[in-house]
Amino acid sequence: ETGVTQSPTHLIKTRGQQVTLRCSSQSGHNTVSWYQQALGQGPQFIFQYYREEENGRGNFPPRFSGLQFPNYSSELNVNALELDDSALYLCASSRGGTGSNVRNTIYFGEGSWLTVV
Amino acid sequence: GQQLNQSPQSMFIQEGEDVSMNCTSSSIFNTWLWYKQDPGEGPVLLIALYKAGELTSNGRLTAQFGITRKDSFLNISASIPSDVGIYFCAGGYSNTGKLIFGQGTTLQVKP
Repeated sequence: ETGVTQSPTHLIKTRGQQVTLRCSSQSGHNTVSWYQQALGQGPQFIFQYYREEENGRGNFPPRFSGLQFPNYSSELNVNALELDDSALYLCASSRGGTGSNVRNTIYFGEGSWLTVV
Repeated sequence: GQQLNQSPQSMFIQEGEDVSMNCTSSSIFNTWLWYKQDPGEGPVLLIALYKAGELTSNGRLTAQFGITRKDSFLNISASIPSDVGIYFCAGGYSNTGKLIFGQGTTLQVKP
């Protein structure tokens, strides 16, 4: 039990539709990151939110966007869904900071399985 | 996307045997994390390493942060059937949630 909760756990969408995935971070964690994990692959970093602002982004197009709320929970939005967007979407929380000595342990939720048909 | 080189890709061993897997990178990291992922679930943190040369144990698991900061290994001693799963290494930096993951090592244990 990591204290990171995600919803929904499974969903099916049609190509071209939009999807919103939600994440509640572990208590005391102010940084949320989102990852995409295709079948048989390691997770790929999408972006990170720290104090409600995007703070780092991986190699994903602008149709992948997010939000972080004052309680540090977060949403991942994907517009104009494509078949290749079918994957497990993982949310991870950590206690971010600006000091180089921050021991940043990152905990993952169970993920949201997205199937695009 | 960018990934670490994790090996071996898969292992099939007898219960009771020791297991070793490792990750190498062309980039320097100041954090190495090892996760285990069971089918249909998110990755579960096993061991976190924060300093070059650091050797850390968690029960039967031992991991080390390489001196060059470009590699790490994970050892599992006296494997048991519940060790079955996919093990991922991940490299990162202290004040960010961005991790670079290896391709995973699939471990199967024969009772």
